Amino acid sequence: GQQLNQSPQSMFIQEGEDVSMNCTSSSIFNTWLWYKQDPGEGPVLLIALYKAGELTSNGRLTAQFGITRKDSFLNISASIPSDVGIYFCAGPYAYSGAGSYQLTFGKGTKLSVIP
Amino acid sequence: DGGITQSPKYLFRKEGQNVTLSCEQNLNHDAMYWYRQDPGQGLRLIYYSQIVNDFQKGDIAEGYSVSREKKESFPLTVTSAQKNPTAFYLCASSISTSGGPTDTQYFGPGTRLTVL
Repeated sequence: GQQLNQSPQSMFIQEGEDVSMNCTSSSIFNTWLWYKQDPGEGPVLLIALYKAGELTSNGRLTAQFGITRKDSFLNISASIPSDVGIYFCAGPYAYSGAGSYQLTFGKGTKLSVIP
Repeated sequence: DGGITQSPKYLFRKEGQNVTLSCEQNLNHDAMYWYRQDPGQGLRLIYYSQIVNDFQKGDIAEGYSVSREKKESFPLTVTSAQKNPTAFYLCASSISTSGGPTDTQYFGPGTRLTVL
């Protein structure tokens, strides 16, 4: 399947610090999605981006759809302990031979917040 | 409340037994999916269904089977042929699989299967 390269793989930050992570692809995407997964739970959609150059905020989270349509960024401002978890990027790609689109996911950025 | 439910949360089975994981959604979504997640790994697609009475293999379908008799339900059976079944299983749904905004998937809480 299509590969999304997500970085960094993990981050340890102090409470109150800002966080940046990104996702890149060799192919163009029409949609970028950012999910957060708490330990032992299913991923929860944080932000959906549907237009190149789009900048969208959800509370302390801000995500951008790269102008080349091959990348996306997620920023978290003033981190708090409940920001701990794994953040995944995802985007739909044409699934070979089936006439449908499927989501491909990055491998995730594991965020740890030190109080 | 609209959403996706998976049951049970934790499941233990003996090696060689088949086991069925439940997934129900009341979002009126046409498409449903099953993923497998191993520690430190991303999500891998097992099966998906675009519409009732139709389903397609994903990237790692061997050892698994599904059915889609109702729009709301997409159960996954982990068969004894699956060589390494212990994992976290996630079900998801979306409005469609057309490559646009309606492909956004919403996930259930997951089932952790442990085969002893």
